[in-house]
Amino acid sequence: GAVVSQHPSRVICKSGTSVKIECRSLDFQATTMFWYRQFPKQSLMLMATSNEGSKATYEQGVEKDKFLINHASLTLSTLTVTSAHPEDSSFYICSTSGQGAGGETQYFGPGTRLLVL
Amino acid sequence: GDSVTQMEGPVTLSEEAFLTINCTYTATGYPSLFWYVQYPGEGLQLLLKATKADDKGSNKGFEATYRKETTSFHLEKGSVQVSDSAVYFCALRKTGGGNKLTFGTGTQLKVEL
Repeated sequence: GAVVSQHPSRVICKSGTSVKIECRSLDFQATTMFWYRQFPKQSLMLMATSNEGSKATYEQGVEKDKFLINHASLTLSTLTVTSAHPEDSSFYICSTSGQGAGGETQYFGPGTRLLVL
Repeated sequence: GDSVTQMEGPVTLSEEAFLTINCTYTATGYPSLFWYVQYPGEGLQLLLKATKADDKGSNKGFEATYRKETTSFHLEKGSVQVSDSAVYFCALRKTGGGNKLTFGTGTQLKVEL
């Protein structure tokens, strides 16, 4: 299957700072990328869907001004958590789908653990 | 709205034991159903899928049958190995819903010698 990487794998930051998480598709063109959030012992919750070159579509209840998503190329999407607070601490996972990646199949990154102090 | 319910873990089995992880769903229409597996330190990987009623998905000795009458998609394997230890997620994709997936909470499987 396709390879998706995330960077960093884990990050610790102070409250009030902004954190950027990168998601890269290494071997195919990801026309669509998804960002999920996972709390301990809970399911993955879709935060937003982004298509290359257009604005992300956010799920209900997700603040678009707090979770900034940029999908500027077919291989890279970024999620920036602005003015992070302890309640933003979570596991953030991206997935990709697109041409050369089995069509509708989503391929997932390994996740980024964010801890806000 | 759509939802997926799967049994809580962790599930601990001895090697070569039979595995069942239950999954039921709530959705309108005819969703596609999936099982994903997440090994330690890695991203979720598609394990198997079924797109219509009575379809059976299978891969690596795992299988699951799409049962519309019971809205279930239980995961089974006849003989588990230590290397099967991972977290298993059941998910659905609604027809006409783009490529959005709705996940269950995941079930951790631990296989011991």
